[in-house]
Amino acid sequence: GQQVMQIPQYQHVQEGEDFTTYCNSSTTLSNIQWYKQRPGGHPVFLIQLVKSGEVKKQKRLTFQFGEAKKNSSLHITATQTTDVGTYFCAGPMNRDDKIIFGKGTRLHILP
Amino acid sequence: DTEVTQTPKHLVMGMTNKKSLKCEQHMGHRAMYWYKQKAKKPPELMFVYSYEKLSINESVPSRFSPECPNSSLLNLHLHALQPEDSALYLCASSQGGGVAEKLFFGSGTQLSVL
Repeated sequence: GQQVMQIPQYQHVQEGEDFTTYCNSSTTLSNIQWYKQRPGGHPVFLIQLVKSGEVKKQKRLTFQFGEAKKNSSLHITATQTTDVGTYFCAGPMNRDDKIIFGKGTRLHILP
Repeated sequence: DTEVTQTPKHLVMGMTNKKSLKCEQHMGHRAMYWYKQKAKKPPELMFVYSYEKLSINESVPSRFSPECPNSSLLNLHLHALQPEDSALYLCASSQGGGVAEKLFFGSGTQLSVL
C-alpha cells in the first residue's frame, strides 16, 4: 500500500547543532506538508510544498521537495530548546486523496 | 477566529458508557476530520466530512459514530469502547472540500477507557 516513511525516528542534538529529518514516499505526492507536535500538544501545520524541487525557508527552518516529488526534507539550523517536538511529514497521493502521515521524527535538544 | 475547539479535553469512561466528543470551527472550512493518535505514533485518520457529508470512513468500528450537524460542528459518539481505544482524539479542519489540503488541528480529547 501507499507509505510515507520518515527517518530518523529519534534525534538528540546539542543546542546550537543542526538537525535534518527525511521523508520518502513509495509513490509520487501531489504535495508534501510538514507538521510539528510539541510534547503534550497537537500537530501544528508548518508548511506545504507543491512544486518539484521546491525549497522554502522559515527563519531557521528549510524545507525541500524532491525533483521526483517522492521525497522531502526539513533542516533546522542552530537548534534551540523551542524546537523540541515531533516533526511529521504528510502527503496525499493524489489531489483529492486522504493525507498519510509519516511516523515522525522526535527531536530532543540537549542544553 | 483561527481555532479548532475540542471538548472535553479529558474523558474517562467505562466500557458500557456512552459519551460524545465535540469539535467546532468558525473559519468557514468545508472539510472536517477525526484522527486517533496513540502515544509516540502519528495521527491515524478515522473519518472525513466534506461539505457536511461523510466522504471517508477508514473502516472504523461501529462503536465510533461520527456526526456533522452543520458545517461548523463535528461530533464523535462513543459507545461500548474497549481499553485499546484509549488515545488522543484529534479533530481537524481544512479550507476547501478536498482532503489533500493543509489541516488545522484542535488540541484534542485525551480519552481513557477503563
